[in-house]
Amino acid sequence: GIQVEQSPPDLILQEGANSTLRCNFSDSVNNLQWFHQNPWGQLINLFYIPSGTKQNGRLSATTVATERYSLLYISSSQTTDSGVYFCAVLRTNTGNQFYFGTGTSLTVIP
Amino acid sequence: KAGVTQTPRYLIKTRGQQVTLSCSPISGHRSVSWYQQTPGQGLQFLFEYFSETQRNKGNFPGRFSGRQFSNSRSEMNVSTLELGDSALYLCASSRGTSFRYLRATEQYFGPGTRLTVT
Repeated sequence: GIQVEQSPPDLILQEGANSTLRCNFSDSVNNLQWFHQNPWGQLINLFYIPSGTKQNGRLSATTVATERYSLLYISSSQTTDSGVYFCAVLRTNTGNQFYFGTGTSLTVIP
Repeated sequence: KAGVTQTPRYLIKTRGQQVTLSCSPISGHRSVSWYQQTPGQGLQFLFEYFSETQRNKGNFPGRFSGRQFSNSRSEMNVSTLELGDSALYLCASSRGTSFRYLRATEQYFGPGTRLTVT
C-alpha cells in the first residue's frame, strides 16, 4: 500500500496565528483529499487536490504530485479550527481505497 | 443535496453478538467504501462496493462483510463481535467509475456509527 506521513503530529497555536501542515506520500496518486475531523467524528471535506493549488477562505492547499507531498495552510487561525486534520490518498488501480495519514491534532487557544 | 447518512449513530453490543450498520450515499453516487477508525490503528479501509459488486477489500477477518443494494445503499455486518471491534465506522460515498474508465472522484464521508462492544 501507499505510506502517508503527516507532520507535525500535534500543533498548538494562539488564535490569529498561521500554520502549515504537511503530508508526504510514498507513491504516485490520483486523488488526494484533506479532511477536518470534527469532535463528533465526521470527516469534513476541505480540499480535493491531486495536484496544484486551491484556496477556500482562510485555508489553502498545494499538492506537488511529482515530489509526493501536499501542504495545508491555515491563516488567522480560530478556535473553531481545532481538531484533527487528515490527508488521504488513493491510486485508482487499487480501486477507491483511501490510505490515510495519522493526522495532525491542532489546538487553537484564545 | 442530502449528504451521506449512516444509521444507527451509536450502538452498544455484547461480545459474540452480530451487528449490521447501514450507509446511504449521496444521490447519484455509485461507490460506497467503509472504514474503521480506532485510536490504536487509525483509519483503516474495510471494503468498497460499486454497482452492487465488492471491488476491493482491506485486511480484515471474514467476520466483516458487506453488501450493496441496487439503490447504492450499503450495509456492513460484523459477526461474533470482539472487544477490539469497538470503533467508529465511517462510510464514504463517491460517484465512482467503472474499471474500464477508472478515474478518481471526490469522496464524501458520513457522520459515522460509533460501536461499543462490552
